[in-house]
Amino acid sequence: EADIYQTPRYLVIGTGKKITLECSQTMGHDKMYWYQQDPGMELHLIHYSYGVNSTEKGDLSSESTVSRIRTEHFPLTLESARPSHTSQDLCASKRGGGTEAFFGQGTRLTVV
Amino acid sequence: KQEVTQIPAALSVPEGENLVLNCSFTDSAIYNLQWFRQDPGKGLTSLLLIQSSQREQTSGRLNASLDKSSGRSTLYIAASQPGDSATYLCAPFNQGGKLIFGQGTELSVKP
Repeated sequence: EADIYQTPRYLVIGTGKKITLECSQTMGHDKMYWYQQDPGMELHLIHYSYGVNSTEKGDLSSESTVSRIRTEHFPLTLESARPSHTSQDLCASKRGGGTEAFFGQGTRLTVV
Repeated sequence: KQEVTQIPAALSVPEGENLVLNCSFTDSAIYNLQWFRQDPGKGLTSLLLIQSSQREQTSGRLNASLDKSSGRSTLYIAASQPGDSATYLCAPFNQGGKLIFGQGTELSVKP
């Protein structure tokens, strides 16, 4: 059973608002990831972290930012939301080496 | 840059059929490969992890194989059930632990 949680599950917000998507895991995993998935499309890596105070941009450019102050938390922030940011965002974590990755249930973001 | 292709893109079968989902990747220097399922609007559920040194991994009615040198993996589902209906995703990952996804195979199993 994966212990990785995302909040909120659904978010409808107006253009120009600041949003923070939360991701928490209780497995003590060092590596954490954010993936963006447009409706019916593949997942693209937008941010990852290999541990506390480590953050890197992924393969898909994103206006969002992330932080990793504690091992358990990997929040994603968008300073000014636009309708083009509408997507599902998925958080994942894993230990190092050849171990399984676990995903949260996702946050479905709709910007109106 | 790693690229992942899954064939077929969609598959509809009657209940009880055995089926094979295919995954190919362009960079064979992978560390491991993981298969997931995704139900509509949900996150990803891990099905199987194959280490690069393994050729096969089994869990219940699922069997996944890996041929790293040719850049291929297959997921075999035996005796399919309506509850197997979902999108199936394969994700090879490198030593840094970054998973790369294709578009998946959307499976529908009809009762």
